Amino acid sequence: AQSVTQLDSQVPVFEEAPVELRCNYSSSVSVYLFWYVQYPNQGLQLLLKYLSGSTLVESINGFEAEFNKSQTSFHLRKPSVHISDTAEYFCAVSGGSGGFKTIFGAGTRLFVKA
Amino acid sequence: DGGITQSPKYLFRKEGQNVTLSCEQNLNHDAMYWYRQDPGQGLRLIYYSQIVNDFQKGDIAEGYSVSREKKESFPLTVTSAQKNPTAFYLCATQNSDNQPQHFGDGTRLSIL
Repeated sequence: AQSVTQLDSQVPVFEEAPVELRCNYSSSVSVYLFWYVQYPNQGLQLLLKYLSGSTLVESINGFEAEFNKSQTSFHLRKPSVHISDTAEYFCAVSGGSGGFKTIFGAGTRLFVKA
Repeated sequence: DGGITQSPKYLFRKEGQNVTLSCEQNLNHDAMYWYRQDPGQGLRLIYYSQIVNDFQKGDIAEGYSVSREKKESFPLTVTSAQKNPTAFYLCATQNSDNQPQHFGDGTRLSIL
């Protein structure tokens, strides 16, 4: 069965500092990987996705994630965070043995301090 | 997401009462999902449907029921058998397994 582990439940960081949110997944076959962001009292919004091809994927607001097949990881990074990046971030996997179903990690709360 | 409408945004339930949460989509996606979100627990799958008139139980289906009579609609009923219904409920749609899910803005259910 597929699973997703987000290694940090909370990540406090100062504004303009770099950040990495860690995500590991388990699957015996190829899967699709996603990062979502959730602001308070809202639904999840797609941040970026890895389907195939280049292992480094980028979002329009400066986040990037790197697919590492050997380490089964899909960590999310940003070189310089803003106060507005404060939110909850979810790593997710679909495809493979799970088919249509998407498995979500427990989430990481990013708190950016001034 | 403008293509998925969840209503109401806030809902209160009395003891012994069934309540229904609405989810409507205009994205023409085949698959629809209901998740429950509790603080610190991420998303837990309640029910999902990949085609009209067919649906499957997720990980926490007890105390909930759904229907999928139309492609656009996937209502969730929280029955009186669900003893701890207070949570944030999210509806999502998906076009295929290699595409991301799209989410509504959620319904927050509380007990009176």
